[in-house]
Amino acid sequence: EPEVTQTPSHQVTQMGQEVILRCVPISNHLYFYWYRQILGQKVEFLVSFYNNEISEKSEIFDDQFSVERPDGSNFTLKIRSTKLEDSAMYFCASRISDEKLFFGSGTQLSVL
Amino acid sequence: QKEVEQNSGPLSVPEGAIASLNCTYSDRGSQSFFWYRQYSGKSPELIMFIYSNGDKEDGRFTAQLNKASQYVSLLIRDSQPSDSATYLCAVHSGGYNKLIFGAGTRLAVHP
Repeated sequence: EPEVTQTPSHQVTQMGQEVILRCVPISNHLYFYWYRQILGQKVEFLVSFYNNEISEKSEIFDDQFSVERPDGSNFTLKIRSTKLEDSAMYFCASRISDEKLFFGSGTQLSVL
Repeated sequence: QKEVEQNSGPLSVPEGAIASLNCTYSDRGSQSFFWYRQYSGKSPELIMFIYSNGDKEDGRFTAQLNKASQYVSLLIRDSQPSDSATYLCAVHSGGYNKLIFGAGTRLAVHP
């Protein structure tokens, strides 16, 4: 069964460093998302991406965040200068044209 | 601010019983409603979705939607210990472009 793939599963970084989280969405999906979940809290929407551009972003998704779909298969989230409060599980998700959203297994980001 | 509210639990039920999970939402314009299951440390897994008022059944799961009351529920029949997880209610918002999640209800099914 097709699935959304995320790498790495764990990422440890120092505050102020740049990180790139990688995702390979399901191949025929058209809409791509990043969500995050701080330990013990809600799953929060960060950004949606369609037709090679951001379609919506949340207040969390400030200038430190960016997304790219560089080659038609990968979908990346970059955090330019990480903060302690960026520590969370980051989920990539994708969907075809209906509303059913499928999540990857997540990247646990720890900022020290 | 569009909100999705769930009782955090834990909801404890004996094996074989019916578990009833509830969710309310604030955006009256919402049209699509989802239940995800999340095991500890894992990603959300879609188990049910419902668009129309009434009941929708899929195996042991039944989703119920009442748009007038802005209320969605999930019933799990013949609950099993493997059903022990956090159940997330999610509502589409903003032109079907993103999901707004509730904080989840933790379900514990004991033998």
